[in-house]
Amino acid sequence: SQQGEEDPQALSIQEGENATMNCSYKTSINNLQWYRQNSGRGLVHLILIRSNEREKHSGRLRVTLDTSKKSSSLLITASRAADTASYFCATDAVLTQGGSEKLVFGKGTKLTVNP
Amino acid sequence: KAGVTQTPRYLIKTRGQQVTLSCSPISGHRSVSWYQQTPGQGLQFLFEYFSETQRNKGNFPGRFSGRQFSNSRSEMNVSTLELGDSALYLCASRRNGWWDTQYFGPGTRLTVL
Repeated sequence: SQQGEEDPQALSIQEGENATMNCSYKTSINNLQWYRQNSGRGLVHLILIRSNEREKHSGRLRVTLDTSKKSSSLLITASRAADTASYFCATDAVLTQGGSEKLVFGKGTKLTVNP
Repeated sequence: KAGVTQTPRYLIKTRGQQVTLSCSPISGHRSVSWYQQTPGQGLQFLFEYFSETQRNKGNFPGRFSGRQFSNSRSEMNVSTLELGDSALYLCASRRNGWWDTQYFGPGTRLTVL
């Protein structure tokens, strides 16, 4: 079944450095979303990028989408200790009748930002 | 605007029991989805409700069921609990369909002993 796969599984950096996480998926999508999850808590929506968009920015976040390679990347610039969390990409399937209804998540990248 | 709320936040049950979890979506959101998160399987889609009708369903046994009320609030029920049902259950809401952002609640941590 279609699934986003994040890479790397874990990433440890120093405060102030940039963090890049990648996501690959298997089938055509309408949207790709990135979420953050602090340990054992709910998911916080970060950014949504549509299939006809190539790049999107939100504050210190930059997301790119390459539908030809079925991949996306999330860049967090000037990272802070508070960015320590797990990051998930979520894709939705394009249904034959159009639209889509559920998100399919990858396993996530665990980011640790050391002060 | 209040976010998605879930109750209870923590729950401990024993095998064989049943449990009901509740979710209140963001005001104006008509779609509510449920997800199960475990360390082994990650985040998995359970089902989605829209205007009191189940619109989509994941690959979970019939012990997992849900419903949505006219005010868009949703409940999820798990009957005959098994140890493997221990998980974080997340509810998410969005205004209508796939073109809308999906917002998640804090989750209900269910432990089955």
